[in-house]
Amino acid sequence: NAGVTQTPKFQVLKTGQSMTLQCAQDMNHEYMSWYRQDPGMGLRLIHYSVGAGITDQGEVPNGYNVSRSTTEDFPLRLLSAAPSQTSVYFCASSDRGPYEQYFGPGTRLTVT
Amino acid sequence: DQQVKQNSPSLSVQEGRISILNCDYTNSMFDYFLWYKKYPAEGPTFLISISSIKDKNEDGRFTVFLNKSAKHLSLHIVPSQPGDSAVYFCAARPLYGGATNKLIFGTGTLLAVQP
Repeated sequence: NAGVTQTPKFQVLKTGQSMTLQCAQDMNHEYMSWYRQDPGMGLRLIHYSVGAGITDQGEVPNGYNVSRSTTEDFPLRLLSAAPSQTSVYFCASSDRGPYEQYFGPGTRLTVT
Repeated sequence: DQQVKQNSPSLSVQEGRISILNCDYTNSMFDYFLWYKKYPAEGPTFLISISSIKDKNEDGRFTVFLNKSAKHLSLHIVPSQPGDSAVYFCAARPLYGGATNKLIFGTGTLLAVQP
């Protein structure tokens, strides 16, 4: 099992550019989520999904879109990148809802 | 407003001694609490959890205590080892409507275990 994989590991964007952060899991988990980690802020939930075709907003959803067309994949789209979106992004999955989640290694995004 | 608070940004402990990491929450409507551990340049990993109907859960060197009246959670690591040096996040699952599929995380405490 590869677990939860995220690509890319690092990305630099210019303000206004769009991009998609990829997340995939091979554990057949129904629950998947996206978090961002910022200094002094802990982990904040962006969006989550309880199964294919079902997504919902977390604490900080503005500026991000998600979709869940398959159980395995949960991409995060930045529509028009802003410097405030500079952060480390983590994808996670679980077979028990939001409880014991398995996290990916993260994507470090810098927006200039 | 931070509903889950870790007021100590860092903690330094000698190898072999006890590490106590603390977490406070402001909302009584949480039913499940978890601790995650994070090494640099890696994703967090689940460590231990506790339901709100219990006051203690133990797993090897790790014990989590829940004091509901004080809205306080603590993680005890005994004995501490240098490999325990990491950032520790506490998290809570809300009971209130619309939020039961979410976790709210604290800001983290950096534990340094000195050899």
